[in-house]
Amino acid sequence: DAGVTQSPTHLIKTRGQQVTLRCSPKSGHDTVSWYQQALGQGPQFIFQYYEEEERQRGNFPDRFSGHQFPNYSSELNVNALLLGDSALYLCASSLGHEKLFFGSGTQLSVL
Amino acid sequence: QQPVQSPQAVILREGEDAVINCSSSKALYSVHWYRQKHGEAPVFLMILLKGGEQKGHEKISASFNEKKQQSSLYLTASQLSYSGTYFCGTGGSARQLTFGSGTQLTVLP
Repeated sequence: DAGVTQSPTHLIKTRGQQVTLRCSPKSGHDTVSWYQQALGQGPQFIFQYYEEEERQRGNFPDRFSGHQFPNYSSELNVNALLLGDSALYLCASSLGHEKLFFGSGTQLSVL
Repeated sequence: QQPVQSPQAVILREGEDAVINCSSSKALYSVHWYRQKHGEAPVFLMILLKGGEQKGHEKISASFNEKKQQSSLYLTASQLSYSGTYFCGTGGSARQLTFGSGTQLTVLP
């Protein structure tokens, strides 16, 4: 049984560009959450998707947007990249509101 | 408000015990504990729910003091595999977790 898979694993962009990160949840999971983890810090909640709708959102600007597809997979889009957006982006899936299963993340570097 | 974890780092020998604390300035509904090894995904350890229900790991225990808004994770007879960064997350179920900055645990042989 595959766990949570994220792609790509690493990404390098320049300031002002746009990026799309992808996530496939664990089989049977219907809820996907996205977190941003800066070096040496805990994950910070971006937003959560359930039934193809954004259900909860953390303190992130509108440059961060997402989508969930009918097969429960999800995308995270970031527009107008800033240097401060450099971080590890983690996707986590769950069934309802139980424990989170995290993917290994996408390491984004903005130059 | 981000929960505060202590200590920030701890080094111990295999077989020794460790306690990691998590405090919040807000009333807690639940506390979640995760462990992250370098370059890997965070892995679920434990959920503690208001009212005392505990769900999680067989070899790791935890407490949840609702009045003090604190939780502690107890690692007994540490093994080398326990090394990693431990995060506590607070919030209403797993709907939206706020994680602390982590406690880096190193277990030496």
